[in-house]
Amino acid sequence: GIQVEQSPPDLILQEGANSTLRCNFSDSVNNLQWFHQNPWGQLINLFYIPSGTKQNGRLSATTVATERYSLLYISSSQTTDSGVYFCAVVTSTSGTYKYIFGTGTRLKVLA
Amino acid sequence: NAGVMQNPRHLVRRRGQEARLRCSPMKGHSHVYWYRQLPEEGLKFMVYLQKENIIDESGMPKERFSAEFPKEGPSILRIQQVVRGDSAAYFCASSPLTGNEQFFGPGTRLTVL
Repeated sequence: GIQVEQSPPDLILQEGANSTLRCNFSDSVNNLQWFHQNPWGQLINLFYIPSGTKQNGRLSATTVATERYSLLYISSSQTTDSGVYFCAVVTSTSGTYKYIFGTGTRLKVLA
Repeated sequence: NAGVMQNPRHLVRRRGQEARLRCSPMKGHSHVYWYRQLPEEGLKFMVYLQKENIIDESGMPKERFSAEFPKEGPSILRIQQVVRGDSAAYFCASSPLTGNEQFFGPGTRLTVL
């Protein structure tokens, strides 16, 4: 099956720093989504981005589907950005769509 | 417009008991997905349901686990005779159509003593 790899696995930043998180996938996908899982375990939708670039405040994402990767940019990081960032790719098998999650990047932002 | 609702948020069971997890999708969504997250891991797909139908259960363990999404009421994930290895966070997601963006509930954290 399709493999989804995220890097780096762990990241520690000083507040105010910028960072780039990467998601590589091994096969063509129908779509891709980025999530933030906060320290309380809640999953928050960040971007639904099959291709191109989207921006939302300090966050932006770029997916290059032909090269099978996506990037999540966090600028001017804040302590509330701490948590785990997951990418999930959407694959289709016999008309059924399902998400395959990466293993996540654990981010800690220090004050 | 309420989001995906799950209850209970926390559930404690002793080995051998049954666990029932409930999920109410977002209004207007007829597709429900269940995922399991073990500690320090990503989410793993379990099952995909539409009203009264199981569409894909390829991620469900073959024994003790079942899921339903009746015509009326929430989707239910049922785990019979729980074991310690069932301890995990169980997330439900919904979408209006298959292949569309999925929205996740807050999860149910199951602890088996």
